[in-house]
Amino acid sequence: EVQLVESGGGVVKPGGSLRLSCEVSEFTFSNAWMGWVRHVPGRGLEWVGRIKSLLDGKTTDYAAPVKGRFTISRDDSKNTLYLQMNSLKPEDTAVYYCTTERFRSPHYFGYWGQGTLVTVSS
Amino acid sequence: DIQMTQSPSSLSASVGDRVTITCRASQNITDYLNWYQQRPGKAPKLLIYATSSLQSGVPSRFSGSGSGTDFALAISSLQPEDFATYFCQQSSRTPWTFGQGTKVEVK
Repeated sequence: EVQLVESGGGVVKPGGSLRLSCEVSEFTFSNAWMGWVRHVPGRGLEWVGRIKSLLDGKTTDYAAPVKGRFTISRDDSKNTLYLQMNSLKPEDTAVYYCTTERFRSPHYFGYWGQGTLVTVSS
Repeated sequence: DIQMTQSPSSLSASVGDRVTITCRASQNITDYLNWYQQRPGKAPKLLIYATSSLQSGVPSRFSGSGSGTDFALAISSLQPEDFATYFCQQSSRTPWTFGQGTKVEVK
C-alpha cells in the first residue's frame, strides 16, 4: 500500500522558518512528480507547488503566494520530499499535505499524506 | 489564474438520495477537471479525474460530467460513508486551483 507520511509541522512565529518532510513508501518515488497542497481554514484547498522527477529535470513550480519564500526539494535516495518554508506569515497557517501528481496529462493528485499542521502565530 | 466556483456550499440529504454538485471554471478547461472527497480529519481522496474517469476502487454510484466551463459530480444513491466535503480541481494550467468545497451533511 502506498504511504505518504508528513512530519515537521508545529507552531512558529511570523517571520520564522519550518521544514516539512514527507516520506514515501511502496511507490516508485524517483519517477514521480511530487507536490504540496495546503488546507487553509476558511479558504479550502490551495496548491502550494511541485517538483518534477529527475528525468524531467527536478523542475519546481510554485503558487504566487509562496514563491520566493518556500522551496520544494527531494532526496530520491531517501524517498523523501521536503518543503522549506521561510518568512512565514499568519496566512500560511494550514494543514499541509504531501501529494503525488500524475506526470502526464491529465494531471491529478493520486495519493495524499495524512497532513501536518503548521500554525504561524505570535 | 483559473477560478473554480462550486455550488452549493453545503447541502443536506438522506441516505439513498441522489445528489448533484456543480463546479464552474472561469475559463475553458476542456475536460481537465478532477473531483476529491474529504472526510473529517482525513486527507482528500481522488474520486474522478478528467471529468468522468472513475479512480480505481471508487464505487460506481459516483459519476462526473461536463466540459468547457461547467461540470457536475453526481452520487446516485447516497451512502453513510459519503457524508463528506467534495472539491473540484482544474488541471488545465498551473497554478492548479480548487473549488471552495461542498459539504454534504445528514438531513
